[in-house]
Amino acid sequence: QVHLEESGPGLVKPSETLSLRCTVSGGSVNGYYWSWVRQSPGKKMEWIGHIYYRGDTRYNPSLQSRVTISIDTSRNEFSLDLTSLIAPDTAVYYCARHHRVTPFDYWGQGTPVTVSS
Amino acid sequence: EIVLTQSPDTLSLSPGETASLSCRASQSVPYNYLAWYQHRPGQAPRFLIYATATRAPGIPDRFSGTGSGADFTLDISRLEPEDSAVYYCQQYGDSPWTFGQGTKVEIK
Repeated sequence: QVHLEESGPGLVKPSETLSLRCTVSGGSVNGYYWSWVRQSPGKKMEWIGHIYYRGDTRYNPSLQSRVTISIDTSRNEFSLDLTSLIAPDTAVYYCARHHRVTPFDYWGQGTPVTVSS
Repeated sequence: EIVLTQSPDTLSLSPGETASLSCRASQSVPYNYLAWYQHRPGQAPRFLIYATATRAPGIPDRFSGTGSGADFTLDISRLEPEDSAVYYCQQYGDSPWTFGQGTKVEIK
């Protein structure tokens, strides 16, 4: 069974950079797309972007200028960097797996992130 | 981007009843690429339905998806206590992929 687990700081300061990691176990990152999704309090889930195991990326235009997703196939993990944080970036951040034209079949439990000084 | 609107916000039903959840899109969803997820508090979202009507592996036939174009429905028959959760629709036919705001299903 594929298992995804997010890790990272629970509290970050405004203007700083959020770095999160998603560790994949029970399966390989090879052959799949890997996404980050977030949900701010009272808001809809928002797809942040994805990376193919070969390194190709695609980002939500709403966040594109501040987002970088990277992958380390040797460690079976991928990461999210979100720069210039503001309070509305406070959210639960999820990582998830999918194929190119299929939706998210496996998700992590999510990690809460609060942006506050 | 395609905006998805779910209704109702909350559904309160008894065990054994059928829940009918609506998801309407602001425009036609390409290829009817519409998915549904179940999300219980503190757990990872669970993949239920893709391509409008195809159940994900291991999902019981109590869960059924229908619809086309911009109007989609998830029906959950013979409700069980463990069906208590928030259900989200998501379109993946057009980038950026987008989600509905969720319908909370409560089992009395």
